[in-house]
Amino acid sequence: EIVLTQSPGSLSLSPGERATLSCRASQSVTSKFLAWYQQKPGQAPRLLIYSASSRATGIPDRFSGSGSGTDFTLTISRLEPEDFAVYYCQQYGTSHMFTFGQGTKLEIK
Amino acid sequence: DVQLVQSGGGLVKPGGSLRLSCAGSGFTFSRYDMIWVRQAPGKGLEWVSFIRSSGSDILYADSVKGRFTISRDNAKNSLYLQMNSLRAEDTAVYYCARDLWDVCNDYWGQGTLVTVSS
Repeated sequence: EIVLTQSPGSLSLSPGERATLSCRASQSVTSKFLAWYQQKPGQAPRLLIYSASSRATGIPDRFSGSGSGTDFTLTISRLEPEDFAVYYCQQYGTSHMFTFGQGTKLEIK
Repeated sequence: DVQLVQSGGGLVKPGGSLRLSCAGSGFTFSRYDMIWVRQAPGKGLEWVSFIRSSGSDILYADSVKGRFTISRDNAKNSLYLQMNSLRAEDTAVYYCARDLWDVCNDYWGQGTLVTVSS
């Protein structure tokens, strides 16, 4: 089973700043199968990025994804107040055995 | 608009059973694989089960294998999760989600809380 480790566990930034979130896999992941989600309190996860770098429908272009192999990154270029939330990476594994990272909490400084 | 509306859930005693439902609308339900994901209070996301669009392929996380059963009724545009022999550690918000192109989950239900406690 592939383990996804997200860092940092929490991040305190101000609106307008740039956020860089990391997701590291315990073994190589095909980029096609790496996704990112945003979750706000009391809400379901929301798909942001799929296939490592493709933005989902309706996602602002300040969100971008990159990476390959074992290292993937979600970047938010200029934080808006509504971006403060928990972010999860997901590996869509072979035979549909999925795993999630433990999450990064993005907090307002 | 695509919608997944969940029902079921609630408080159940250890060893008890519960059935969750997820009704899809705004898309051709029978063409999409579906999954269940859960989130224990204050914790991260955990994949629970997967079912192919036709119902032909089914997978479970080891933590629920032998106790939970996923099913679907494409005529009713509905997905189900039958949960038996429930344990305290099954306490979580359960989400259904649609599979997109075998690479991600693009639409999610609103979630339903299952609490296992005596």
